[in-house]
Amino acid sequence: QKEVEQDPGPLSVPEGAIVSLNCTYSNSAFQYFMWYRQYSRKGPELLMYTYSSGNKEDGRFTAQVDKSSKYISLFIRDSQPSDSATYLCAMSQGGKLIFGQGTELSVKP
Amino acid sequence: SAVISQKPSRDICQRGTSLTIQCQVDSQVTMMFWYRQQPGQSLTLIATANQGSEATYESGFVIDKFPISRPNLTFSTLTVSNMSPEDSSIYLCSVSSSSFNEQYFGPGTRLTVT
Repeated sequence: QKEVEQDPGPLSVPEGAIVSLNCTYSNSAFQYFMWYRQYSRKGPELLMYTYSSGNKEDGRFTAQVDKSSKYISLFIRDSQPSDSATYLCAMSQGGKLIFGQGTELSVKP
Repeated sequence: SAVISQKPSRDICQRGTSLTIQCQVDSQVTMMFWYRQQPGQSLTLIATANQGSEATYESGFVIDKFPISRPNLTFSTLTVSNMSPEDSSIYLCSVSSSSFNEQYFGPGTRLTVT
């Protein structure tokens, strides 16, 4: 079993839809949770960074962490074609980041 | 966040040769990391590049295959040695100043080994 599981998709939605991206993990020692966005042929870009359980909002993006269920989510409201990218979750433990496989998202105009 | 550049952006190399990838940051950073991203796979940490000391390698990665240099706080190199087609991948450097949890990535180097 991988430490971090993420549905690779692809996920296709119409413009304006609410998108939900999710990751599950097995290691209860993870304390920090990140979401990265990676456009094709580019490096990952840090989107959201949360510590422990709870919600964090930044514009159209909301990150949720549920440590009791070992489950994290990223919600994108009013999705735009420019949101089309691969979204990677990441968690930190012992000084290094563990990444999910990434979910490929396509937002159709 | 810091501006990070990598050279080369892509290369096609022959089996058995070596390639050195450079990572340059526009400001001094505490930590620099090297990752590999194979097709359809998640990012895997190769090593942490420590300024003034030996790099710290993750399980499955060795210094003879992936020697790393970090001569100062803004620059690092990763060499992929004695390459085989299995080394075909995207190699990314990342940096962190405040906390290893907040890492910022370069654009990556796309390597194809024939």
